[in-house]
Amino acid sequence: DAGVIQSPRHEVTEMGQEVTLRCKPISGHDYLFWYRQTMMRGLELLIYFNNNVPIDDSGMPEDRFSAKMPNASFSTLKIQPSEPRDSAVYFCASSFRDGNTIYFGEGSWLTVV
Amino acid sequence: AQSVTQPDIHITVSEGASLELRCNYSYGATPYLFWYVQSPGQGLQLLLKYFSGDTLVQGIKGFEAEFKRSQSSFNLRKPSVHWSDAAEYFCAVGLRGGYQKVTFGIGTKLQVIP
Repeated sequence: DAGVIQSPRHEVTEMGQEVTLRCKPISGHDYLFWYRQTMMRGLELLIYFNNNVPIDDSGMPEDRFSAKMPNASFSTLKIQPSEPRDSAVYFCASSFRDGNTIYFGEGSWLTVV
Repeated sequence: AQSVTQPDIHITVSEGASLELRCNYSYGATPYLFWYVQSPGQGLQLLLKYFSGDTLVQGIKGFEAEFKRSQSSFNLRKPSVHWSDAAEYFCAVGLRGGYQKVTFGIGTKLQVIP
C-alpha cells in the first residue's frame, strides 16, 4: 500500500505569498494530522481531523494558518500570508481509528525568504 | 495533559556498542507509548509501540523498549549499534480511550562513530 503522500516536497517562497501544502492519507485511515517540525520547538501538532472533521486545532499558530479536509483522501494546509518564521518541515500523518499508530509522510520542507 | 521528556538531546556511541535512549512521560494513567526514528530528510518511522501486556516490547531493526510503570519510563535499547542507526529518535505518548492526540518528545540525535 502507498504511504502518506505529501506535496510539494520542497518549497521556497517569498514572504507574503500564499503557501498550500497537500496531503493524501493512507486509504482507510480515519485520522489525519498536520505536524510542524523546527529545531527550536521540535514536533508540534497543528491540527487533526477525524472522518474529515477538524477535532483539535489548538496547535494552529495563528489565523494565517488554515487546514481543510474536503474528503477522506485529501487535505490541505494553507499559510496566507507566509512569514520567514513559518520556515519548517510540515508533516502530514494518518492513522486508523483507535489504533494510535501514526504513519507519517516524508514532509514538505518550506522556506520563506 | 500528557508530556514526554527525552533528557538526552544528543548521544554518541561507537559502532558495536550498546545503546539506551531515555524517555519519561507524565500522565495520570498508563498511556500508549511509541518510539519513532527519523533519518535525515525523511519522515518518522515507527520502531515499536506499547499498548498493554508484556512490558518488554520488540521492534524493528533489533530495537526493544521496556515500560516501567513505577518510573514512568519507556527506554529504548539496542545491544549492538550499527552505523546505519545514526538518526533522530522520538519517544511519544498517546492517550487511551480513542482520543488520538499523540505528544512527541523533543528527540534524541544519535551519532555512531567507527
